[in-house]
Amino acid sequence: GAVVSQHPSRVICKSGTSVKIECRSLDFQATTMFWYRQFPKQSLMLMATSNEGSKATYEQGVEKDKFLINHASLTLSTLTVTSAHPEDSSFYICSARPDNEKLFFGSGTQLSVL
Amino acid sequence: AQSVTQLDSHVSVSEGTPVLLRCNYSSSYSPSLFWYVQHPNKGLQLLLKYTSAATLVKGINGFEAEFKKSETSFHLTKPSAHMSDAAEYFCVVSDSPGGSQGNLIFGKGTKLSVKP
Repeated sequence: GAVVSQHPSRVICKSGTSVKIECRSLDFQATTMFWYRQFPKQSLMLMATSNEGSKATYEQGVEKDKFLINHASLTLSTLTVTSAHPEDSSFYICSARPDNEKLFFGSGTQLSVL
Repeated sequence: AQSVTQLDSHVSVSEGTPVLLRCNYSSSYSPSLFWYVQHPNKGLQLLLKYTSAATLVKGINGFEAEFKKSETSFHLTKPSAHMSDAAEYFCVVSDSPGGSQGNLIFGKGTKLSVKP
């Protein structure tokens, strides 16, 4: 079945550095991928919809200059957390789906900013 | 280790009839459980969540779910289906104590179809 691979699964970085998270569809092409964030003790929040070959669509309140999304190919979307701060520490997860099929999720990335 | 199983990949109901989407879980901790819905070409939307408070959880759009520890179940129900409920539904369990943060384990999803 379809697989979405997310890397890294866990990352610890210093405040002020940038972190890149990759989301790959391994055996299908995905023109659209979704990026979510889970705040502590809260549910998932959709951050943005990543569109292959065009700009991502960000949800209200999400800083596009802070969370850079690049969807340069049909199998790869990246989320870069720029100039990370401790409040950016969170669990980030991506999802994608083959056309007209079920949604598949990456395994998530736990980001800790010191 | 935590896991979640959605027992039906596809459920079809008639408009106005009850909806039951089944979910069973396993967890070493007192789990936090969520139901999410995804409409076509949109991201996930939270329907409801259980975090060790009341076992019967009411969510948006008339959905509710009951946490049954003895059955390790968290089935999603709605008394009367509406055409707009047609979507894909995901049962999710948090693998961290208290559901504070950390990995979420997704079920494989149940596609709900609603017939006129």
